[in-house]
Amino acid sequence: EAGVAQSPRYKIIEKRQSVAFWCNPISGHATLYWYQQILGQGPKLLIQFQNNGVVDDSQLPKDRFSAERLKGVDSTLKIQPAKLEDSAVYLCASSLRRAGGLEQFFGPGTRLTVL
Amino acid sequence: KQEVTQIPAALSVPEGENLVLNCSFTDSAIYNLQWFRQDPGKGLTSLLLIQSSQREQTSGRLNASLDKSSGRSTLYIAASQPGDSATYLCAVREGGSEKLVFGKGTKLTVNP
Repeated sequence: EAGVAQSPRYKIIEKRQSVAFWCNPISGHATLYWYQQILGQGPKLLIQFQNNGVVDDSQLPKDRFSAERLKGVDSTLKIQPAKLEDSAVYLCASSLRRAGGLEQFFGPGTRLTVL
Repeated sequence: KQEVTQIPAALSVPEGENLVLNCSFTDSAIYNLQWFRQDPGKGLTSLLLIQSSQREQTSGRLNASLDKSSGRSTLYIAASQPGDSATYLCAVREGGSEKLVFGKGTKLTVNP
């Protein structure tokens, strides 16, 4: 079974520039999550999709961050304009409801550096 | 607001030692608790998932326990190996939500 795919793996941009990240979840997983992980911290949920609808975006800085999940499969997360404090790893995850409960599976992440 | 704390922040042990990583959470109304491993520059790998009704889960040399009423979980690693070196993250899923709340992790180094 293929895992969660993300691209690019690394991105370096200057502040005030725009950047976009892409995620392809595990086939058949209806729920997709974007997390932000700042160095030395645990991941923090930015947005959760159920199919192509937003379930939770309460921690998404909506003045600069946006995300979409067209057709309920792939997703993109965009930052416009980027700030220095956006430097972090952006993790995408998808989840499957098993007999033992809901389990999230994570992609390798995109490491963003804002200069 | 749920807060998850992991102690210690870093741990260095000689190969072969048994060790315990600790996780505590402030709100006991959780749905489940999940332990993850994160290697440098990599994403998170799920190790164990414990439902709120369970007391422990085992996978190979790993054993995770959950005491929901006291807001604590431990991850026990038996006969540690250098390949176990990584950051271990604890996350709780709150009841009525699918959001995971993470701790900051424990960075484990197993020395040959």
